[in-house]
Amino acid sequence: DARVTQTPRHKVTEMGQEVTMRCQPILGHNTVFWYRQTMMQGLELLAYFRNRAPLDDSGMPKDRFSAEMPDATLATLKIQPSEPRDSAVYFCASGLKWTGNTEAFFGQGTRLTVV
Amino acid sequence: QKEVEQNSGPLSVPEGAIASLNCTYSDRGSQSFFWYRQYSGKSPELIMSIYSNGDKEDGRFTAQLNKASQYVSLLIRDSQPSDSATYLCAVNIFQGAQKLVFGQGTRLTINP
Repeated sequence: DARVTQTPRHKVTEMGQEVTMRCQPILGHNTVFWYRQTMMQGLELLAYFRNRAPLDDSGMPKDRFSAEMPDATLATLKIQPSEPRDSAVYFCASGLKWTGNTEAFFGQGTRLTVV
Repeated sequence: QKEVEQNSGPLSVPEGAIASLNCTYSDRGSQSFFWYRQYSGKSPELIMSIYSNGDKEDGRFTAQLNKASQYVSLLIRDSQPSDSATYLCAVNIFQGAQKLVFGQGTRLTINP
């Protein structure tokens, strides 16, 4: 069945290391979101793309985070260098924009721990 | 003022009763509103979308929208223990570009 696929599901890394998270959106969807979820902040929008073009990345710390869509089937979120405060669950969601509305469907998330 | 606000709860409701979840939003121009359910350790799951003022029913769930009051609610009738989860309200907000913003979520517990 159609679903958003995220890899890896879990990642433990040391402070200062580069982390890359990948997302395969649902086939045919033209919108991809990256969210970060923590107990304190809830779900925060980091960036999103429509038709592979970045529309908004104002929620992302630009000095260490970057998001790209090299093609329609792959979105990536990179953190370099990683810090302990980046520990969170990172969700990718995809949707199809139609008549101004976009319903977003979430992947299973990447649980990141930076030690 | 937060863009999307929810009472964080926890909200405790007896089995079989009606659970009422509320959400307010700040952008008067918002046109799309969503309710997601998130079980502990899982990802958010879309359960309802609403775009017009009034009520929208889907099984035991009813979403209510009042754009004049900038208020969205979700009613769960005949609550079941399996409805125990965190419920997230999401709103499409225009800030340069349209983005989907979530509230903090309300944790709901249904007591058998």
